[in-house]
Amino acid sequence: SQTIHQWPATLVQPVGSPLSLECTVEGTSNPNLYWYRQAAGRGLQLLFYSVGIGQISSEVPQNLSASRPQDRQFILSSKKLLLSDSGFYLCAWSVLWGSQPQHFGDGTRLSIL
Amino acid sequence: GIQVEQSPPDLILQEGANSTLRCNFSDSVNNLQWFHQNPWGQLINLFYIPSGTKQNGRLSATTVATERYSLLYISSSQTTDSGVYFCAVDGANTGTASKLTFGTGTRLQVTL
Repeated sequence: SQTIHQWPATLVQPVGSPLSLECTVEGTSNPNLYWYRQAAGRGLQLLFYSVGIGQISSEVPQNLSASRPQDRQFILSSKKLLLSDSGFYLCAWSVLWGSQPQHFGDGTRLSIL
Repeated sequence: GIQVEQSPPDLILQEGANSTLRCNFSDSVNNLQWFHQNPWGQLINLFYIPSGTKQNGRLSATTVATERYSLLYISSSQTTDSGVYFCAVDGANTGTASKLTFGTGTRLQVTL
């Protein structure tokens, strides 16, 4: 069966520091991969998605970037964090073709001080 | 882009009661999912239901795609049902990736 892993679960970072969040999927090949952010008390917003290695699409302008160095690895990064980057970040995967359900990881809670 | 509205925003139930949560969307969809976010933030898949009716234990869901709404039914509610319920949709003709737009959620509290 397929599983998705995110780490770390919780992270506290100072303003201006770099960021790297990692997501990996097991048990499937060529998945679509997604990064979402959830601000406190709100719904999820799609940040990035990827349909293949090295292919990244950004949905909203922001201080973050994403990369997909391997088929089942998706990384969310920032060179300098802002206070507004605080939130709950979730990674998700879906089967590549067609409209298929998305499956979410357990998320990373990021606090910026 | 597609708009997703959920109602009610907040709901308090006594254990054992039934409830109906509603999701309205503004355009045709390829994908509609219902999620339960537990108090620890985990997002649990409940249903993938772009159309039709599905049931899973005490939960069931119905999507009427032609009228652009979906309903989530919770019967005999339990305290473990507490949390936030999200509806998320992927508008039609969005290409290879299924890009979900989330509603603002219904916060459910089940009391003893």
